[in-house]
Amino acid sequence: DIVMTQSPDSLAVSLGERATINCKSSQSVLYTSNNKNYLAWYQQKPGQPPKLLIYWASTRESGVPDRFSGSGSGTDFTLTISSLQAEDVAVYYCQQYYNTPITFGQGTRLEIK
Amino acid sequence: QVQLVQSGAEVKKPGASVKVSCKASGYTFTSYGISWVRQAPGQGLEWMGWISGNNGNTNYAQKLQGRVTMTTVTSTSTAYMELRSLRSDDTAVFYCARAPRTTIRGPLDYWGQGTRVTVSS
Repeated sequence: DIVMTQSPDSLAVSLGERATINCKSSQSVLYTSNNKNYLAWYQQKPGQPPKLLIYWASTRESGVPDRFSGSGSGTDFTLTISSLQAEDVAVYYCQQYYNTPITFGQGTRLEIK
Repeated sequence: QVQLVQSGAEVKKPGASVKVSCKASGYTFTSYGISWVRQAPGQGLEWMGWISGNNGNTNYAQKLQGRVTMTTVTSTSTAYMELRSLRSDDTAVFYCARAPRTTIRGPLDYWGQGTRVTVSS
């Protein structure tokens, strides 16, 4: 199984500041034949299902604010929130869909400082 | 708009089975698959498996093989997940999510509201 490891486990950032969450996979999730990274990011608020933010490592889902961006390739990925808003308080998960079983990171809890 | 509406909460005894439904609307059911993901209390997300909405092909997480069955009824655009021989550590919120039609290799773009299953004697 591909193990997804996120860092940090929790993060407190001031409103308007940048938040950065890292995700590392135990093996590459880059499919060289199409040069796509099979990596997504989700946001989960309390009592709600996860919401897709980013897929193919850097493609923003329709309707997601442009302060959210994804980057990275191979085994190392980053989710960046450029200017934290109060509504961004949530747990964030990375997910690989390169291989079965699909696996998620353990989650990063983002709070306001 | 795309919606996935799941069945209500369940309480089961150890050793019993549970069957959760997920009714899709707002898109062509047979053009996508459904993945099932569970989340134990206070824990992260665990993928359980995937079923094609087109031909019923499945791909189950190995740790659940033999205990889980995923099915679809295309006439009602509904997916089902049955988990048997329930244990206390199966207590979780179970989610269905829209997936690619022919493969697990794609993001999960719409999610159901979740179904809480509690396993307790």
